[in-house]
Amino acid sequence: GNSVTQMEGPVTLSEEAFLTINCTYTATGYPSLFWYVQYPGEGLQLLLKATKADDKGSNKGFEATYRKETTSFHLEKGSVQVSDSAVYFCALRLRYNFNKFYFGSGTKLNVKP
Amino acid sequence: NAGVMQNPRHLVRRRGQEARLRCSPMKGHSHVYWYRQLPEEGLKFMVYLQKENIIDESGMPKERFSAEFPKEGPSILRIQQVVRGDSAAYFCASSTDRSRGNTIYFGEGSWLTVV
Repeated sequence: GNSVTQMEGPVTLSEEAFLTINCTYTATGYPSLFWYVQYPGEGLQLLLKATKADDKGSNKGFEATYRKETTSFHLEKGSVQVSDSAVYFCALRLRYNFNKFYFGSGTKLNVKP
Repeated sequence: NAGVMQNPRHLVRRRGQEARLRCSPMKGHSHVYWYRQLPEEGLKFMVYLQKENIIDESGMPKERFSAEFPKEGPSILRIQQVVRGDSAAYFCASSTDRSRGNTIYFGEGSWLTVV
């Protein structure tokens, strides 16, 4: 089947620390991969995406590379800020059924000053 | 340009009552999606609708749940005879079309608590 597994949270970091949130997937077809972010009290926002193997999505200092060989799409940021505190969701969408997303359970990030 | 608007944000219902969740898509969007997030789980697809049509309801529970997106007005997710297990966050999303590259935009969610 299709599923996404991401590391459990919460992840607590100090400001300017390096961030990695792991995400791996299983898919019956060739998926596009996404990271969504949910800030407190807000809806999910698209953070970045990658549509094919070896693509790197990036936005606001966050990056993730589509690794087909390891079926992974880990989220990284070199220096986190307090304002990055949020819940991060990894998701996939299949090319033949692009109306349906499969989400991971979310990873809460707390960044302390 | 307002985003996807959901209401109510929080709803408390007693077991056996009905819950109605509303979603107004972004301006110009004619495609609506509903997702459910149970505690400690990721979002799970429920249903995909266009105006006056249900396109994919493969994620909807077989009983008590229904969804509509009328020609005029918001999309409604209706849960009849709620049970404690229906307590969850319900997210609506919308998009302009169903093309492969489309971006869908999520609302802030409606939190249903069944007591």
